[in-house]
Amino acid sequence: QQQVKQSPQSLIVQKGGISIINCAYENTAFDYFPWYQQFPGKGPALLIAIRPDVSEKKEGRFTISFNKSAKQFSLHIMDSQPGDSATYFCAAKSNIQGAQKLVFGQGTRLTINP
Amino acid sequence: DGGITQSPKYLFRKEGQNVTLSCEQNLNHDAMYWYRQDPGQGLRLIYYSQIVNDFQKGDIAEGYSVSREKKESFPLTVTSAQKNPTAFYLCASSGVAVAKNIQYFGAGTRLSVL
Repeated sequence: QQQVKQSPQSLIVQKGGISIINCAYENTAFDYFPWYQQFPGKGPALLIAIRPDVSEKKEGRFTISFNKSAKQFSLHIMDSQPGDSATYFCAAKSNIQGAQKLVFGQGTRLTINP
Repeated sequence: DGGITQSPKYLFRKEGQNVTLSCEQNLNHDAMYWYRQDPGQGLRLIYYSQIVNDFQKGDIAEGYSVSREKKESFPLTVTSAQKNPTAFYLCASSGVAVAKNIQYFGAGTRLSVL
């Protein structure tokens, strides 16, 4: 029940296209859903995040769509650029006895072809 | 510069040896975390600490130990009991208040076995 399932494992998109990464979860106690971006040899950096009482959040070219009833959320990258090539992780946060714990998806390696 | 510093960047362990990975933060965060990252498996929680002198096991604590003697520091020891230590290790920190619980990551330590 603590798992977050992420797909696809890898994704290739042409420059200017839309990149879409999907995640699904089971635990309805999750209360915060961040997306992290990681470049090779670096630590993950927070990209965008959403709370379950919101269906969509947009920041620049990045949008999270959240479907609470389906327990699914997705990241959309509009006008994808070669600099967006990285590994993306979705995550879900639980609050157990005051401990804020993140459960991560398996990651998606995104390649944007010029 | 505020942030999380992990050292060393690369570390090699000999058979039967304990090694310690350093993590220091100057973000004044109460909570700190250690994750292990393996290809295709996302990030898995090893240990976390919400306050000085207290820490909790994560999902894969066997073969690891930690200490939290200072708010700024959360070193991780990979013991000889960890039979498959080769991985990328990431340290993170966050505030504990719900509004400040974004986890920020260091640049990681890559551990290999000689």
